[in-house]
Amino acid sequence: NAGVTQTPKFQVLKTGQSMTLQCAQDMNHEYMSWYRQDPGMGLRLIHYSVGAGITDQGEVPNGYNVSRSTTEDFPLRLLSAAPSQTSVYFCASTRGTGGFYSPLHFGNGTRLTVT
Amino acid sequence: DAKTTQPNSMESNEEEPVHLPCNHSTISGTDYIHWYRQLPSQGPEYVIHGLTSNVNNRMASLAIAEDRKSSTLILHRATLRDAAVYYCIRTGANNLFFGTGTRLTVIP
Repeated sequence: NAGVTQTPKFQVLKTGQSMTLQCAQDMNHEYMSWYRQDPGMGLRLIHYSVGAGITDQGEVPNGYNVSRSTTEDFPLRLLSAAPSQTSVYFCASTRGTGGFYSPLHFGNGTRLTVT
Repeated sequence: DAKTTQPNSMESNEEEPVHLPCNHSTISGTDYIHWYRQLPSQGPEYVIHGLTSNVNNRMASLAIAEDRKSSTLILHRATLRDAAVYYCIRTGANNLFFGTGTRLTVIP
């Protein structure tokens, strides 16, 4: 199993550009979630999904959109990138209906720089 | 409101036990305590979690205070591979809050 796969690994954007960070998991997990990690800080929850067709906001959702059309994929969209969105982005998944009570499986991240 | 509080850094000699503390004095009755660790350029890796009772697995032990306002992650014999940033996290059904983590240095 590949686990949680994130693409791309690195990305540089100009202010105002849009892009989609991809996240895919092959473990048939119901819960998927996106996080950002700024230097010297822990991760903060952006958006999460409890299953296909269902998404909700986390702690820092502004500037980001998500959708969940399949169990496997949970893309994160930046519609108009800003320098404040420079960060490392992690995607995670977890099985069953335990939500964040269950252990999370993380991808290896996408490092995004907005100039 | 810091959801969890951890020391910024700790050191341990190789093959010695390590006790990593975490304060979560405002924890609610249904929040779990999770611990993850993160190596450079990697995503966090699950270590252990618990609600009220002490927990053991192949990686570590978790000791939770009786009032649940603090917990301690115990690595029984530190190895060089245990050098990482360790995060203590409060988790609810639909939210979770990372602390700023403790950077563990293991001295050979």
